[in-house]
Formats: sequence, C-alpha cells, structure tokens
Amino acid sequence: GQQLNQSPQSMFIQEGEDVSMNCTSSSIFNTWLWYKQDPGEGPVLLIALYKAGELTSNGRLTAQFGITRKDSFLNISASIPSDVGIYFCAGQTETSYDKVIFGPGTSLSVIP
Amino acid sequence: ETGVTQTPRHLVMGMTNKKSLKCEQHLGHNAMYWYKQSAKKPLELMFVYSLEERVENNSVPSRFSPECPNSSHLFLHLHTLQPEDSALYLCASSQPDRDGEKLFFGSGTQLSVL
Repeated sequence: GQQLNQSPQSMFIQEGEDVSMNCTSSSIFNTWLWYKQDPGEGPVLLIALYKAGELTSNGRLTAQFGITRKDSFLNISASIPSDVGIYFCAGQTETSYDKVIFGPGTSLSVIP
Repeated sequence: ETGVTQTPRHLVMGMTNKKSLKCEQHLGHNAMYWYKQSAKKPLELMFVYSLEERVENNSVPSRFSPECPNSSHLFLHLHTLQPEDSALYLCASSQPDRDGEKLFFGSGTQLSVL
C-alpha cells in the first residue's frame, strides 16, 4: 500500500541552527500536510500544501510541495527550544477526508 | 472548552477488563476519527465517522468497538485487549466539506494493557 518515508528519523541541533527534514513516497499525492506533536499532546497542523511546486511559510517554518508530487520538505529557521517535538508529514491522494496517510515522523531535539 | 478533548489521559487495564475512551469536539465538525499511535510507527487510522455514520473501518479487531451518538461525541469501547494494544489513542475531527484533510487532534489517551 501507500507509504511515506521521513528523514532523518531524529536530529539533535543547537539552538539557533536551521533545520531541514523531508518526506518522500513512491506514490503521487494531491495534498501534503505537516504536523508537529509536542510531548504528551496530539499532533497540531503546521502547514498545508495543495499544488506542485508550492512554497508556503508559517513564521519560521517553510514547506514545499515537490514538483514530482512525490515529496515535500519542511525547513525551520533559527530553532528555539520550543521547536522540540515530532514532526509528521501526511499526504492525501484523493479528495476524501478519510484518505490521509501519515509518515513515521522526525524527532527534533534542540540543545539550548 | 474549545478544540478536541479526550478522557481519560491515561488508562491501565487488564486483559479481561472493559473500558471506554471518550472524545468530545467543540469545533462544529461533522467527521470524527480514532487513530492508534505506537512507538516508531506512523499513525494508524482505525475508524472514521461522518455525520454519525461509520464510513471507514480499517480491519480493526472486534475487541475495539466505536460509538458515535452525535457529531460532537465519539467513544471507543475496549474489551479483552492484548498487551500489543498498548499505545496512544488519538481522536481527531475535521469538516469534510471544507478542508476535510485538516485534522484537529485531541491530546490522546495513553493506554497500557497488562
């Protein structure tokens, strides 16, 4: 079935550094979403992307919908301690609310 | 109270117990979901309800039984669970006719089966 791969699996960075993570699949997606999960909480939507090549920002976060429609990346600039958490990508192949597939996540740790 | 609320936050149960997880959403959404989150694995969709009708059941064992009495409330009834069912159970909601792909999650119930 459809599967999303995220890399890296985990990362440890110094406060103030920029972060880049990506999400790939062998399938084409119509929508890409990025969620963040804080420890002990549920995931929260950060950014949604709807068109191939689309580049969208939300504060220090920037995400892009890959041209091939099989990948997406998320960048975080000038990381701060509250950026700690697990970042999930999710893709949707059909315009159906029950067809959202999640990746395994990238765990981010920020060292003050 | 706003958003999606789940109770209890933590639950420990034996394999012969019967318990229920509760979810309530205050966002006016029409669709509600149960997801299972195990360590190092992607979120697994278990059930979807739209307008109180079940529209998706992803081959979930019958020891998990969902109930959606109205569009704001969702339950997951548990009985004779196995230790491998220990996980974080997340409830979510969305509005299918407007940005249905955007899921709003609760904080989850951390379940431990002994």
